[in-house]
Amino acid sequence: DAKTTQPPSMDCAEGRAANLPCNHSTISGNEYVYWYRQIHSQGPQYIIHGLKNNETNEMASLIITEDRKSSTLILPHATLRDTAVYYCIVVIQGAQKLVFGQGTRLTINP
Amino acid sequence: GAGVSQSPRYKVAKRGQDVALRCDPISGHVSLFWYQQALGQGPEFLTYFQNEAQLDKSGLPSDRFFAERPEGSVSTLKIQRTQQEDSAVYLCASSLRRDRTDTQYFGPGTRLTVL
Repeated sequence: DAKTTQPPSMDCAEGRAANLPCNHSTISGNEYVYWYRQIHSQGPQYIIHGLKNNETNEMASLIITEDRKSSTLILPHATLRDTAVYYCIVVIQGAQKLVFGQGTRLTINP
Repeated sequence: GAGVSQSPRYKVAKRGQDVALRCDPISGHVSLFWYQQALGQGPEFLTYFQNEAQLDKSGLPSDRFFAERPEGSVSTLKIQRTQQEDSAVYLCASSLRRDRTDTQYFGPGTRLTVL
């Protein structure tokens, strides 16, 4: 699986959009980009995933660059409950296990 | 519906004791995973089941770690002769399908502390 690089921490004001970057420059054509988050003392929670097109669901948007070497997770209107560690994970198509990195610790400030 | 449940939520063991951690996956989920999460780190894969078959145990750190899922639903992770370095949160996850990468639903974890 391709390696991902994320900033260790970020801050965002409540109500603003939180934009979390992820670099995956060695990603191959059959690898998906997945995002999970982990709120303190809970298990990780799936957010969104994509292959090459931008994706949106009720939680977030995922923007993948045309060359697929990086992506951005967007939380459009961050709330205090979005404070968590966010993991960007590259997963080869059909693979089962997830390989987590260190993630980005996002703090939403009132 | 009910999510993935794990028990106990907290376990304190003396070094050398055996422990058993239980995972109840979401009903009907074919795949089940165990991960280990050390303090301040991301989860690390331990093992994976498809129904009752253990298809990947490459992440188990030693032969003291053993996992089973005899009837394809509930799973138990057993650690024999616990050591201090086994202290971590043990996470269980399940997913519905087996023919592709699928969303994994995680339980709250069991925090194991070995004294």
